[in-house]
Order: sequence, then structure tokens, then C-alpha cells
Amino acid sequence: DGGITQSPKYLFRKEGQNVTLSCEQNLNHDAMYWYRQDPGQGLRLIYYSQIVNDFQKGDIAEGYSVSREKKESFPLTVTSAQKNPTAFYLCASSILAGWENTEAFFGQGTRLTVV
Amino acid sequence: SQQGEEDPQALSIQEGENATMNCSYKTSINNLQWYRQNSGRGLVHLILIRSNEREKHSGRLRVTLDTSKKSSSLLITASRAADTASYFCATDIGTGNQFYFGTGTSLTVIP
Repeated sequence: DGGITQSPKYLFRKEGQNVTLSCEQNLNHDAMYWYRQDPGQGLRLIYYSQIVNDFQKGDIAEGYSVSREKKESFPLTVTSAQKNPTAFYLCASSILAGWENTEAFFGQGTRLTVV
Repeated sequence: SQQGEEDPQALSIQEGENATMNCSYKTSINNLQWYRQNSGRGLVHLILIRSNEREKHSGRLRVTLDTSKKSSSLLITASRAADTASYFCATDIGTGNQFYFGTGTSLTVIP
């Protein structure tokens, strides 16, 4: 089955530690995205990548880092510099088609809690 | 930020009634999309309307788009308890397929 997989589903981290969230897709999509969702709020874009070895900052990139070494994978690292990391993190992918109209496919999310 | 805003923030209706939620956005768009999110899960795409379209239907869903007012509405007809979820609009504003999401409407359908 084609899809986008995030792991783990739940993650606990001690303050001061870095943690990496996994996102893998087998949809052959060029574009991948990371969003953060806080309770009762919308999605805010952290980073996005349109092609391997290239990525761009979104609205709230501070305290986060990403890599895109393979088309299928777009891991997100939440660093100790992120002041309020407890949130629900969503990864998405889409066909990169320039001006064409495409939809985003989402993973099931990773809930990160800092303890 | 290009983030849109949904209205109302929360909506509670009886099963069988229609549910209408609205989305406003700030800049010109290529298209506007609606997504559904069940509690604690990822988002699922429902419907996409292009900037040159005014209305689109998909099953019990009806979406309208008014680019002059920078607004869209999502109508769910004959609602069911299984429609209980949060609904988000998302705008695609240009190259790179950057999707900007609104704040969401939480819909509760009472059986």
C-alpha cells in the first residue's frame, strides 16, 4: 500500500535533549512538509522540501532542523533550542507540479511530550 | 503568514442537519482545499476547488469559492455522527505547493 508513515506515534523527551521524528513515503512524491499542531489550533509550517538535498524554512523553523538525503525520507530533529516542543507533529507529501493543483497526503502524526 | 481562518471555531448539530463552515484567507490563491482531521490523527483530503471555479460537489460535500471576498464555504448535507471531526481549509498560493492551513472548525454531530 502506498502511503506516508510517521514514527513513533508517541515520543517522550527530557528537557535539553534532541529528538528525531521519522517520516517516510512511498508515493514517489517530490515535495515533503513538516507541520506543528498545538491543541485546538491549526497547522503551522516548520520546513518543506521540494527536491532531494534541498529544503526551505517555514513560518516556525527556529529550534528545528531537517535533512532530505533520499526522496522517500524527510526526518525532523527537534533540538534543545526549541523552547516549547510539546506538540503534535504532522508530516505530509505531495506531487510537485508547479502550477498544477495537487493535494497533500498526511501521516498519522507523532505526539511529542517533553518531560 | 498566509494562514486562513475558519468560522465558526466549533459547531454542534443534530444528525441529519446540514453543517456549514467558512474559511477566509489573505492573498491570491491557485486553489483552496478542505481537509478533515479525526481526533489525534492525520489530515485527510476532502475536496479541492481551483481559483477559477465557483462551486464544486463531491458526494454530500459542497464547496463554494468567492475570490473577490477571499472566502470559501464547506457544506456537509445530511450530516452523520461519523462526520464528527475537525475541518481545515488550506490554500495553495504559488509554486512549490506550499499549503497554508486555517485554524479549523470542530464539528460535533449528535446522534
